Amino acid sequence: SQKIEQNSEALNIQEGKTATLTCNYTNYSPAYLQWYRQDPGRGPVFLLLIRENEKEKRKERLKVTFDTTLKQSLFHITASQPADSATYLCALGNFNKFYFGSGTKLNVKP
Amino acid sequence: ETGVTQTPRHLVMGMTNKKSLKCEQHLGHNAMYWYKQSAKKPLELMFVYSLEERVENNSVPSRFSPECPNSSHLFLHLHTLQPEDSALYLCASSQDLQASGGYTFGSGTRLTVV
Repeated sequence: SQKIEQNSEALNIQEGKTATLTCNYTNYSPAYLQWYRQDPGRGPVFLLLIRENEKEKRKERLKVTFDTTLKQSLFHITASQPADSATYLCALGNFNKFYFGSGTKLNVKP
Repeated sequence: ETGVTQTPRHLVMGMTNKKSLKCEQHLGHNAMYWYKQSAKKPLELMFVYSLEERVENNSVPSRFSPECPNSSHLFLHLHTLQPEDSALYLCASSQDLQASGGYTFGSGTRLTVV
């Protein structure tokens, strides 16, 4: 069965630095990969979607890469701010079904 | 608010109770979903509805019963739950099943079974 791995340990970085989160997957060939942000006690909020034929996508301070050979997506937040502190989830899917990772908690310290 | 509203936000129920969770969206989306989120675990897809018809049932115990009376409303009926069913239950919607624009989630119902 498919497996999605996100680092379960929290990522602690200093304000202003670039945060890089990793999403690895096995036994799957997704057509899409999505990234979400989740704050405590709230539902996930959609950030970005990247398709299998796209290498990179950007939105403001966010950048996502998708390497189907390595079966990996990297999620970057540049010039990070304390307000970026949250749990970030990746989700992989094919047309009508998405599988979520467990998420990585990001702590941005002032 | 995201456009997907869930009620109640918190629910404590005994194992012999019957309760219902409600989800409402006015985004014009055609697909709606129920997910279960337990601590330190990935979101688990429970049910999928497209244009009010159920299209997915991921081997969910029968003590969970979904209902989609129209494209804007989704219910999850609960009865004789177990303590391990305690979790955050999230409703989501998307424009269509491909969800190329992502899912819009509600804030969830925090369920505690005692």
